Amino acid sequence: DTAVSQTPKYLVTQMGNDKSIKCEQNLGHDTMYWYKQDSKKFLKIMFSYNNKELIINETVPNRFSPKSPDKAHLNLHINSLELGDSAVYFCASRYATGELFFGEGSRLTVL
Amino acid sequence: AQSVTQLDSQVPVFEEAPVELRCNYSSSVSVYLFWYVQYPNQGLQLLLKYLSGSTLVKGINGFEAEFNKSQTSFHLRKPSVHISDTAEYFCAVSDHSGNTPLVFGKGTRLSVIA
Repeated sequence: DTAVSQTPKYLVTQMGNDKSIKCEQNLGHDTMYWYKQDSKKFLKIMFSYNNKELIINETVPNRFSPKSPDKAHLNLHINSLELGDSAVYFCASRYATGELFFGEGSRLTVL
Repeated sequence: AQSVTQLDSQVPVFEEAPVELRCNYSSSVSVYLFWYVQYPNQGLQLLLKYLSGSTLVKGINGFEAEFNKSQTSFHLRKPSVHISDTAEYFCAVSDHSGNTPLVFGKGTRLSVIA
């Protein structure tokens, strides 16, 4: 039973399109995150939600909009996709002692 | 704010040899420390963590790490590596508040050579 699941795993799309990535966790954690991993494997925090409320919003273009319908779900919507948005996006949920449980990642390729 | 420096971007090592992956952190408050492993085309998996207590922590797959507060280090070690250990390894730090996300180092690519 997957703890943190993301869909889709692969996403190939044209510049200018809008796409969404969904994330669900069944661990009962209150805090969830979106991280972006670039081609050099660097992991950068994008957003953090605690119990459906946005608590961290790093310097991310406002074309990226997270939505948390309940504390088990954190979705990421991206408008007007650009070439530079190509990356692997990871969803994660946080245990009380700070460690994160990651999803398998969603590889976004913008053509 | 915390930061993490992984001193080596790539570490090649022969199979069955020992390995050490270095990690140094910076923080003005007490920290939790973590090592994660990422196999190709997969998510990150927790290898081990230091929260408090014994400075030597043991993790999965035969890895261990030692917390050294005076040197602000948390180096990862394995006495004998296998081909299957080839992966990207990330050191991460957080404070004790629970409000700040993990800050990751840039990763170290461990390549085990047969």
